[in-house]
Amino acid sequence: NAGVTQTPKFRILKIGQSMTLQCTQDMNHNYMYWYRQDPGMGLKLIYYSVGAGITDKGEVPNGYNVSRSTTEDFPLRLELAAPSQTSVYFCASSYLKGGPEPQHFGDGTRLSIL
Amino acid sequence: AQSVTQLDSHVSVSEGTPVLLRCNYSSSYSPSLFWYVQHPNKGLQLLLKYTSAATLVKGINGFEAEFKKSETSFHLTKPSAHMSDAAEYFCVVSALGAGSYHLTFGKGTKLSVIP
Repeated sequence: NAGVTQTPKFRILKIGQSMTLQCTQDMNHNYMYWYRQDPGMGLKLIYYSVGAGITDKGEVPNGYNVSRSTTEDFPLRLELAAPSQTSVYFCASSYLKGGPEPQHFGDGTRLSIL
Repeated sequence: AQSVTQLDSHVSVSEGTPVLLRCNYSSSYSPSLFWYVQHPNKGLQLLLKYTSAATLVKGINGFEAEFKKSETSFHLTKPSAHMSDAAEYFCVVSALGAGSYHLTFGKGTKLSVIP
């Protein structure tokens, strides 16, 4: 079972460059999420989506954009990369939002901005 | 508002000895609680969850956790550590607030297992 798939796994960007982190899930989940993980800080929610065409900001949305054109895909875009965006990015999905429903995570994208 | 505190950033145990990873939470509403494990260069994998049923929850790989409402704790235990348990562990609380569920992650506890 593929679950949640993220690409690329690693990437180095220069300051000011842009890129899109890809995320796709094959579980037909309506809810999808983007997190960033910084050392010793746990995970912080960047954006989430409750279904195709509907997205909303999380705790740390500045510098990022998302779109959700299909149930399966939820790409995260960095328009002007900054060193503060060096992090590990995780995409997750769930059948319901919150409550007893756990989230399913991809293996992450490790992004360095130099 | 809700919060999660993992009381130890790093725990080191010898192989074959018990594991205790501590987690305290605060929540205005009845929460759901989760423990996730993250192996190096991998995503988070669900170990177990508490959802207001039995207070002692059994998970995968021999882990279990006990929900103690009076102590607002959800500590993770395992009777005998294995080398493959070396990883980072996250305690997570999900609770209803302002009409929507919010997920809050602890900062993680790194578990080292000494042969």
